[in-house]
Amino acid sequence: EAQVTQNPRYLITVTGKKLTVTCSQNMNHEYMSWYRQDPGLGLRQIYYSMNVEVTDKGDVPEGYKVSRKEKRNFPLILESPSPNQTSLYFCASSLKVAPVSTDTQYFGPGTRLTVL
Amino acid sequence: AQSVTQLDSHVSVSEGTPVLLRCNYSSSYSPSLFWYVQHPNKGLQLLLKYTSAATLVKGINGFEAEFKKSETSFHLTKPSAHMSDAAEYFCVVSGLGGYQKVTFGTGTKLQVIP
Repeated sequence: EAQVTQNPRYLITVTGKKLTVTCSQNMNHEYMSWYRQDPGLGLRQIYYSMNVEVTDKGDVPEGYKVSRKEKRNFPLILESPSPNQTSLYFCASSLKVAPVSTDTQYFGPGTRLTVL
Repeated sequence: AQSVTQLDSHVSVSEGTPVLLRCNYSSSYSPSLFWYVQHPNKGLQLLLKYTSAATLVKGINGFEAEFKKSETSFHLTKPSAHMSDAAEYFCVVSGLGGYQKVTFGTGTKLQVIP
């Protein structure tokens, strides 16, 4: 089944304890992206990746890191989480047909992160 | 730069009546526009998208949207609401010309009253 998977689905952690949220897609998509969803703010893009080893900042990249060593995986890393990073996080991928702006994105189920 | 404004944070309709969810955008490029739906505790799913072809776009579950460049709008409509339409809807803009960022609106929660 074509899908985007995220792990873990739920995570409670403490301030400053490094964590990684994994994202994997099995559709051979080139474009991958991370979003955070907060009430009243919709989804805001954190980072995106056009291809392996190519990443760029979205609108809210502060406090986050990403890597794209393989096409299928795009982990989100919080080196030193803080309470303001408590949020619902979504990973998404798309095929990257030209032009990429017309792509349909396929979303993972979300990861609910709480930082105490 | 690009932005998108969803004019209503909540919309409430009776089952069987029309649905109108409003979206205005701004973009320095010729935009692509999308509507995504998020059912409670679920991920997002594409409803429909406009990519510079026909201005009236039909999507899944009877939804459609019309791209109006002069009004910079992309409102979502459905002739008759169903209980299963209760969800949060997001209008999304992305630009052409190599501008790869994607901008979401703040969402509209649709309540359908039996």
